[in-house]
Amino acid sequence: DSGVTQTPKHLITATGQRVTLRCSPRSGDLSVYWYQQSLDQGLQFLIQYYNGEERAKGNILERFSAQQFPDLHSELNLSSLELGDSALYFCASSANPSGRSYNEQFFGPGTRLTVL
Amino acid sequence: AQSVSQHNHHVILSEAASLELGCNYSYGGTVNLFWYVQYPGQHLQLLLKYFSGDPLVKGIKGFEAEFIKSKFSFNLRKPSVQWSDTAEYFCAVNNNAGNMLTFGGGTRLMVKP
Repeated sequence: DSGVTQTPKHLITATGQRVTLRCSPRSGDLSVYWYQQSLDQGLQFLIQYYNGEERAKGNILERFSAQQFPDLHSELNLSSLELGDSALYFCASSANPSGRSYNEQFFGPGTRLTVL
Repeated sequence: AQSVSQHNHHVILSEAASLELGCNYSYGGTVNLFWYVQYPGQHLQLLLKYFSGDPLVKGIKGFEAEFIKSKFSFNLRKPSVQWSDTAEYFCAVNNNAGNMLTFGGGTRLMVKP
């Protein structure tokens, strides 16, 4: 158990719908990262938040957005869903986003999204 | 932009065989290197990491990796695999400018008992 929790574990929805994935970081971690794992794209970084503010953006679609709340939990919102959005979405957390020394990222169990 | 290549997509070994999984990265600056493991149905776990210093890094569960800067490689090794090592292994890189991880495509290892 990494200490990072994600809900729900599984989500099945239809094309065109909108869903929200939730992540609670490890106690004390200020930084949250979202990654997408799909068969064709592999594991890709989507976005990072640090203490409520967006810090870095990766290959995140405009239909996707995220936020980090004052209690440090984060939500990833996926809208106008397409079949190709079916994937495993991981959240990770770390103590701080310092670029000078790496802070280990601890991964949650993931949310498996299936778009039908 | 940095990228990571794992050339072995699927590897099948018998127990007690030695393992070496290849990882090459492309990035011109200083990088931090990692190997993560994902057991079936579980989350990603860090096996080992390299920041600086001794290029031979020892991790958990008997795994080690060697950073060869001239070859841009960070291969994972284990002298004798066990059935419980069956998992998917990911090499990852991050540079000192940011904390995001760039992952390779992963290698699925199956160890036959």
